Amino acid sequence: GEDVEQSLFLSVREGDSSVINCTYTDSSSTYLYWYKQEPGAGLQLLTYIFSNMDMKQDQRLTVLLNKKDKHLSLRIADTQTGDSAIYFCAEKAGRRALTFGSGTRLQVQP
Amino acid sequence: NAGVTQTPKFQVLKTGQSMTLQCAQDMNHNSMYWYRQDPGMGLRLIYYSASEGTTDKGEVPNGYNVSRLNKREFSLRLESAAPSQTSVYFCASSEARGLDGYTFGSGTRLTVV
Repeated sequence: GEDVEQSLFLSVREGDSSVINCTYTDSSSTYLYWYKQEPGAGLQLLTYIFSNMDMKQDQRLTVLLNKKDKHLSLRIADTQTGDSAIYFCAEKAGRRALTFGSGTRLQVQP
Repeated sequence: NAGVTQTPKFQVLKTGQSMTLQCAQDMNHNSMYWYRQDPGMGLRLIYYSASEGTTDKGEVPNGYNVSRLNKREFSLRLESAAPSQTSVYFCASSEARGLDGYTFGSGTRLTVV
């Protein structure tokens, strides 16, 4: 069955770059997403990438997709304390609903 | 503001009690979803509704029922709550195929004692 995996925790210093990684198993995935969840809040869509792309950039966010290895990453440049949150990777294949990873907690230290 | 509204935000139930979680969206989306979030397990799909009048089971449907009351509203019912249903519940909605991603509500934190 489908599976999406992420590491649970990442700690960086303010101003550094953060890289959050995700792997998925379903080769028929068509869209891959990154969501951000702040404490006590719902999930907010950050960005997404279509499976025929290998990179997408949006201001401080860069998404890299290696379809051969089924590996997705989210790079946050110049990480700020306001970026502290849980980041979820999700994939969509066919008509199936989104499948989410377990989330990576990003801690930004001043 | 347009979006997905969930009620209540917090609830404590005793084992065996029943309750309904409410969800409404005002974006004219066709599809709606219920997920539960547990520590270290991410979000797991309980039920979804691809369009008004249809509902389908997700990954973890046991112990739950849903109703798509109309295009705007999608409710989740726990008939006999169990401690294993202690979780944070999120409702989401999307355009028909959901390719642009989902819009989430702010969640209902449910504790079953």
